[in-house]
Parts: sequence; C-alpha cells; structure tokens
Amino acid sequence: NAGVTQTPKFQVLKTGQSMTLQCAQDMNHEYMSWYRQDPGMGLRLIHYSVGAGITDQGEVPNGYNVSRSTTEDFPLRLLSAAPSQTSVYFCASSRGQGHSPLHFGNGTRLTVT
Amino acid sequence: KNQVEQSPQSLIILEGKNCTLQCNYTVSPFSNLRWYKQDTGRGPVSLTIMTFSENTKSNGRYTATLDADTKQSSLHITASQLSDSASYICVVSAREYGNKLVFGAGTILRVKS
Repeated sequence: NAGVTQTPKFQVLKTGQSMTLQCAQDMNHEYMSWYRQDPGMGLRLIHYSVGAGITDQGEVPNGYNVSRSTTEDFPLRLLSAAPSQTSVYFCASSRGQGHSPLHFGNGTRLTVT
Repeated sequence: KNQVEQSPQSLIILEGKNCTLQCNYTVSPFSNLRWYKQDTGRGPVSLTIMTFSENTKSNGRYTATLDADTKQSSLHITASQLSDSASYICVVSAREYGNKLVFGAGTILRVKS
C-alpha cells in the first residue's frame, strides 16, 4: 500500500503564480483534508472533504481551492500565490473524522518569493 | 476557546534515558486525544489514542496517560533511542462541531548518543 501520496515534494513559486498540489490515497478513505504547518504553530486545517463531490472550508481557506471528483484524489489549488503561503502542506485521509487516525502524506514544502 | 498546549517546546536527552512530554487542553466537550510522532521531513504518524474512560495506554516504549478531570495528558518514552528523535504532536477531538481536531504545536525531542 502506498498510503497517501503527495506531489511535488518541493516547489518554489513567484508571487501571483498559481499551482496545484496533488494528493492521492489508496485506502478507500472517505475523509480527506489539507493542512499547513508553520514553525511554532499546530497544523491548521485548510479544506476538507467527507466524500466524493463534497468539500468544505477549514480554519484557513482563503487563497486555496479544492475539488473531490473521486474518492482517491484531493488536489489543492493555490490561485495566486503570496509569500504568506510559504509553508509545508500536508494532505491526510481517514475512514472518518474524529475517532479514526489521520494518515498523512510526506508533505510539500512550498516557498513563495 | 478550544486550545491544546504542549510542553516543553523542545527537549534534548541522552540515549537510554526516559522523558515525559506534556499536553494540556481546554477542548470541550472532549471526545478523544491522540499522540502523533512526526519524523523530520515526513508526515505525522499516530502513536496512540486515549478516550475519556482510559487512564493509561502503552505502545511499546511509549506510554500515554490521560487525566480528563484536569484535562492533561502525558507521553512517557522509556529507554530512549536515537530513532525517537522527532516532533510529538498532541491532537484533541471535540465531540461537537463534527469531531473537530485541535492540534498542539508539538514538542521537538532530540535524543543524542
């Protein structure tokens, strides 16, 4: 099992550029989510999905879009990159929200100059 | 406000020694508390989950405790190994708000020989 796969591992963008961070899981999990991790802060939820065709905003959704056309894939789009979006981004999946453990990808380190 | 605070922020210990990491939370109503281990450059991995009725749970050399009255949890690592060097993240699930997860900022543990 590959688990949760994120690509790319590293990315450098200029301010104003757009890009998509890819996330795929092969565990047939209904719940998927995106987090950002900044130094000295806990993981913060950007967007999440409880199943194909359903997405919702998390704690810090501004500047990001998501879609969930299949159970396996949950891409995160940066519409117009800003230096404040420099961070490490993690995608996670689980069987359900709350009691089941989150399975995380290995992250994408994004730098916006 | 639902919060999770971890202490210390960072810790250095000698290989073979024991250590204890603390997690205090104000999340209410409480559903469960989970400890994750995050190796450098990787996503977090679940170590153990504590529910309201559990006081102690072990996973190999890791022992988690929970005092739901004082809203405190600890993670005790016995006979530390170099591979224990990581960030340890405490995550509390709130029973309302769709089992919202509240993340601590983590404790960075370094085990040196």
